[in-house]
Amino acid sequence: QLQQSGPGLMKPSQTLSLTCAISGDSVSSNSATWNWIRQSPSRGLEWLGRTYYRSKWYNDYAVSVKSRMTINPDTSKNQFSLQLNSVTLEDTAVYYCARRPGNTPNAMDVWGQGTTVTVSS
Amino acid sequence: EIVLTQSPGTLSLSPGERATLSCRASQSVSSNYLTWYQQKPGQAPRLLIYSASSRATGIPDRFSGSGSGTDFTLTISRLEPEDFAVYYCQQYGSSPPMYTFGQGTKLELK
Repeated sequence: QLQQSGPGLMKPSQTLSLTCAISGDSVSSNSATWNWIRQSPSRGLEWLGRTYYRSKWYNDYAVSVKSRMTINPDTSKNQFSLQLNSVTLEDTAVYYCARRPGNTPNAMDVWGQGTTVTVSS
Repeated sequence: EIVLTQSPGTLSLSPGERATLSCRASQSVSSNYLTWYQQKPGQAPRLLIYSASSRATGIPDRFSGSGSGTDFTLTISRLEPEDFAVYYCQQYGSSPPMYTFGQGTKLELK
């Protein structure tokens, strides 16, 4: 299970921070990857990035957000977080965290409940 | 970047009918990397089919996936009332690593 937390209302230029708490699995799993996806009417479903552990930590980011995004694992709390800098109106969306387990090639089987993020001045 | 185009945009059918949803890729996609999700209003997407044709845990056998290369299909053999939702296909590309989604097909009650 994935439980998301974080603010829903942001002002332009602020930094968005969201957290996804994991239960029933480990952020340090050697087979899963931990992903952030967002959904908006204008952009549809958009994968943002992932973190995963394979003897060391790796991160991958979508080109569209690479310069502004950081995903961090937190092993002490078994969670991972998203940080998106300098938000604009175009970052308004529902944000989801999701797990890609090791046994379903590149399919995400568990999703967080979603966080509606509105960027407005 | 591979673009996924789903058709039709909206499909109007009745319970008991057969639904056929299409997902076409701009370049060839490995069957291992083609996934289907169902999404209902206010909910997160739900995994239905992975690797083009494998049903996820707990998914009824009226859902089936097929296809290869650039053309993939999700079929719902006999629609149940709870099947009316939006369906998305998704693919994974490894260079650079990224996931892309189709724009969705809305399956609505006729």
